[in-house]
Amino acid sequence: DVKVTQSSRYLVKRTGEKVFLECVQDMDHENMFWYRQDPGLGLRLIYFSYDVKMKEKGDIPEGYSVSREKKERFSLILESASTNQTSMYLCASRDGLAGASYNEQFFGPGTRLTVL
Amino acid sequence: AQKITQTQPGMFVQEKEAVTLDCTYDTSDPSYGLFWYKQPSSGEMIFLIYQGSYDQQNATEGRYSLNFQKARKSANLVISASQLGDSAMYFCAMRGSYGGSQGNLIFGKGTKLSVKP
Repeated sequence: DVKVTQSSRYLVKRTGEKVFLECVQDMDHENMFWYRQDPGLGLRLIYFSYDVKMKEKGDIPEGYSVSREKKERFSLILESASTNQTSMYLCASRDGLAGASYNEQFFGPGTRLTVL
Repeated sequence: AQKITQTQPGMFVQEKEAVTLDCTYDTSDPSYGLFWYKQPSSGEMIFLIYQGSYDQQNATEGRYSLNFQKARKSANLVISASQLGDSAMYFCAMRGSYGGSQGNLIFGKGTKLSVKP
């Protein structure tokens, strides 16, 4: 079974702290994604990566950065956490097979981050 | 721009009855994919069903079926014989166009389904 794991289920941080959210997948997927989920807004893409050391901005990248030094690991970084970044963060991965018409995204369990 | 619209914030259904969750989409791409995910209160996103834009038949997976009407740009999820365990948030999503084949998903805002015993 494909497995996507996230370092924490629940996290509480203080305003101004630097926060690292880690995501690891075990299926050798090329593509990895970070989403933010807020009530009434659905899931919004923060960043994605289609290869090691490659990254692309999503819809809401402000206040976030990412790192992908190894294929299986994709980290989301909050440089200086703020209260409006309190949210559920979901990581996903997907096979990057070219030409495939169907490739499901596999999600991790999510990290519920609270910034005080 | 690509967009997914789910107009039902919440739905109730009696156990063992069928329920339809609405989803409409907007895209100018001739080729696209549509997905439904279930999110229980525990938070994990569970893939349910997929429909490709060129698929001739509506997708089915067990009790889940997708009522795909391409001309109307709708992709409604039908759950037959509802069970208490079906109570969850349901998200419709479309494969987006970031980077072409990278396969980012664009999500609707979700529908919260509650199954009554």
